[in-house]
Amino acid sequence: QVQLVESGGGLVKPGGSLRLSCAASGFTFSDYYMSWIRQAPGRGLEWVSYISSRGDILFYADSVKGRFTISRDNAENSLYLQMNSLRAEDTAVYYCARDLLVATTQKFEYWGQGTLVTVSS
Amino acid sequence: DIQMTQSPSSLSASVGDRVTITCRPSQSISNYLNWYQQKPGKAPKLLIYAASILQSGVPSRFTGSGSGTDFTLTISSLQPEDFATYYCQQSYRFRTFGQGTKVEIK
Repeated sequence: QVQLVESGGGLVKPGGSLRLSCAASGFTFSDYYMSWIRQAPGRGLEWVSYISSRGDILFYADSVKGRFTISRDNAENSLYLQMNSLRAEDTAVYYCARDLLVATTQKFEYWGQGTLVTVSS
Repeated sequence: DIQMTQSPSSLSASVGDRVTITCRPSQSISNYLNWYQQKPGKAPKLLIYAASILQSGVPSRFTGSGSGTDFTLTISSLQPEDFATYYCQQSYRFRTFGQGTKVEIK
């Protein structure tokens, strides 16, 4: 069965950095786009970034552009999010989600359990 | 960027009620619209994709409709397990979620 397991969250000071990981299993990881989506405490869902299946197409929400970098290792079935210059407003649960399979309908059918990032001094 | 506006932001309803949630994108998105259900402390669950296709395993009381700039999620007869927050999401250009609609018990 499809599994997505995030790790790497924690407490970090403003201006600090953190790298999130998402381990994928149960499907052909290299066939799918992947996304990071976050949810601040008590707030709605915010799409953060996606990466194409080969890692050559990357897009970011304006709120994180220039500070966050998405990447993937298809050999390791892993997705990453490098987060730099963190701000208090980046505090959220971060989910990885399986995104597009080319030539099919986009949907976030599978999600991880989420990892909490807290930015506070 | 495409903004997604859901209405209402919250609603109170009783078991057995018919519930309708609306999602309006800031520009036409054809049928690139998905609906999710989220319960507290859990990851969202896909309900409807491509505006009207019911995800496998989702009860038939959930229906989606619409295209362009006007979409609707309808729950025909609200069940106790349906009390949750619902989100629309577009994939016409990048990805954007609506702000959510919380369905509470009346």
